[in-house]
Amino acid sequence: SQQGEEDPQALSIQEGENATMNCSYKTSINNLQWYRQNSGRGLVHLILIRSNEREKHSGRLRVTLDTSKKSSSLLITASRAADTASYFCATSGNTGGFKTIFGAGTRLFVKA
Amino acid sequence: GAVVSQHPSRVICKSGTSVKIECRSLDFQATTMFWYRQFPKQSLMLMATSNEGSKATYEQGVEKDKFLINHASLTLSTLTVTSAHPEDSSFYICSARGPGAGSYNSPLHFGNGTRLTVT
Repeated sequence: SQQGEEDPQALSIQEGENATMNCSYKTSINNLQWYRQNSGRGLVHLILIRSNEREKHSGRLRVTLDTSKKSSSLLITASRAADTASYFCATSGNTGGFKTIFGAGTRLFVKA
Repeated sequence: GAVVSQHPSRVICKSGTSVKIECRSLDFQATTMFWYRQFPKQSLMLMATSNEGSKATYEQGVEKDKFLINHASLTLSTLTVTSAHPEDSSFYICSARGPGAGSYNSPLHFGNGTRLTVT
């Protein structure tokens, strides 16, 4: 089952612009993760933010988490054509063997 | 570190045959692996949780007799699609938590996926 909803579903921006993707979820979580997927490939982990954290940075990536609103955002600053990919949020909770459930994803296209 | 290898990357098979997909953790031990299925331009749907030395836990709606999972060692899980039909055509991806990941606060490491086409 899926629990995350992401918006936008698709995003097209120019190189150098910032890209913001949002994720909402339904149940309580232990952490929220963001992954990137290039077409036809596996997923690559970007950032994990724990439920007691509010913001986290990694290079050009900034992730926020608002557990009261059950939402998270991923900001990619100064985007590059190579950032073109699908981005998924995923949540892990206390039940079901700590399985990870993925959101619907945002397809990002960065134009050079 | 934390490399997951999945084979084959692509497979085409005839309807009614079975296909085995392997998922290996190359440089760490994975007591738990996860199998996902992904349709074009859609998200990952968790199929089952593979536990080393015990039976897999399947998600609701996933036929355990059709999608056989075996996790015989700490570094290998296999998914066998039995009596495949065209509707089983999809992208299958395995994943495992990284080394020392006794808890849920560790990210997943993914294989590169297997594109299955059933003709």
